[in-house]
Amino acid sequence: GAGVSQSPSNKVTEKGKDVELRCDPISGHTALYWYRQRLGQGLEFLIYFQGNSAPDKSGLPSDRFSAERTGESVSTLTIQRTQQEDSAVYLCASSLSWTGVANTGELFFGEGSRLTVL
Amino acid sequence: AQRVTQPEKLLSVFKGAPVELKCNYSYSGSPELFWYVQYSRQRLQLLLRHISRESIKGFTADLNKGETSFHLKKPFAQEEDSAMYYCALVSGGYNKLIFGAGTRLAVHP
Repeated sequence: GAGVSQSPSNKVTEKGKDVELRCDPISGHTALYWYRQRLGQGLEFLIYFQGNSAPDKSGLPSDRFSAERTGESVSTLTIQRTQQEDSAVYLCASSLSWTGVANTGELFFGEGSRLTVL
Repeated sequence: AQRVTQPEKLLSVFKGAPVELKCNYSYSGSPELFWYVQYSRQRLQLLLRHISRESIKGFTADLNKGETSFHLKKPFAQEEDSAMYYCALVSGGYNKLIFGAGTRLAVHP
């Protein structure tokens, strides 16, 4: 596709339910990132995938959060037993450089998935 | 710990006025710094990077290691510059960008 695609664009769920967010990166981009943006706050790093290397999960806020990526394609971010504080926009980005951002600094972002937990 | 601070949530100026969006960072090594921009109803996108020493849409940013700053400047603001601006730092291991909280720039006619 022309850019990073995320779905759903909006998700409203009840506290305690599980949600899955999907990201389709730009074809050929080996690096994929998930960020969270709470209202009025900056982008909070969650997880990073680079090719077949072990993902950097250092930003995941709790064990309720997990993410998978199949090869260099689609990624899913799963939030189990959602809480109200999980309400945020979840942004996915992909990058061409195999080193992530060191060489170019250019991440290509999706439009985000807005999650509202009631 | 690596951190990016953007002290202003909102910067409001009139068209033609100079603009300076502040960014301060904390990082123990040699920083790689960037400015990203999000226009209304558009995706977050790269504006400029300090290693390129480039001017994009009239914006420039100089890295000042002494003051640990990377302020974004434009001498004459235009209405189309109205957007959210994020300063970002590459963290150790070169595998993630750390973003500031962002500054909303509003340019009035």
